[in-house]
Amino acid sequence: DQQVKQNSPSLSVQEGRISILNCDYTNSMFDYFLWYKKYPAEGPTFLISISSIKDKNEDGRFTVFLNKSAKHLSLHIVPSQPGDSAVYFCAASGGPITGNQFYFGTGTSLTVIP
Amino acid sequence: KAGVTQTPRYLIKTRGQQVTLSCSPISGHRSVSWYQQTPGQGLQFLFEYFSETQRNKGNFPGRFSGRQFSNSRSEMNVSTLELGDSALYLCASSRDGRSGVLGAWPLHFGNGTRLTVT
Repeated sequence: DQQVKQNSPSLSVQEGRISILNCDYTNSMFDYFLWYKKYPAEGPTFLISISSIKDKNEDGRFTVFLNKSAKHLSLHIVPSQPGDSAVYFCAASGGPITGNQFYFGTGTSLTVIP
Repeated sequence: KAGVTQTPRYLIKTRGQQVTLSCSPISGHRSVSWYQQTPGQGLQFLFEYFSETQRNKGNFPGRFSGRQFSNSRSEMNVSTLELGDSALYLCASSRDGRSGVLGAWPLHFGNGTRLTVT
């Protein structure tokens, strides 16, 4: 039972344009959401997070949006750069209520074309 | 500050054998989690240890086990290896508890151990 879903396995974007990665979740008890970036042969690296008390969080070129009613979050990268090419995972947690466990999506492979 | 260290980076084992993977968390992090990554399946949660106790467990068979030592270092063991166990095994550490409005401390991952079962 996949509680966090990333329905787009891959995405290609031109350098300088916006990249939008999407993520859906099913468990309404999740209250903390994260995005991770993963290069081949490396572990995932924490990118940005958002708490359910907010609907937007920005960090430089990265912005995460949360729509709790739709159980949907998205990561916007503006402007996209070739170095952003990687696999992006979204993750969710509900703290003790959901077992202190992070649930991950299956990832979206982003390719930024120079 | 040193990151999460996993050893070895690569392992090739034969079906039926057993394997032990090691993880050293970031200094001060007492929670250690293990994940399995396979193509198309994302990161599947194996288990989490805190203060030498298994606090959470995912839906993996009993062939997968782990432990944590008093210095927070952790090991994961897989017995009677099957071909389907071939995967990248990731260890992650974090601070424990809630971080106020942020909700939780993020996981910090190591570079993983690539296990190939032949």
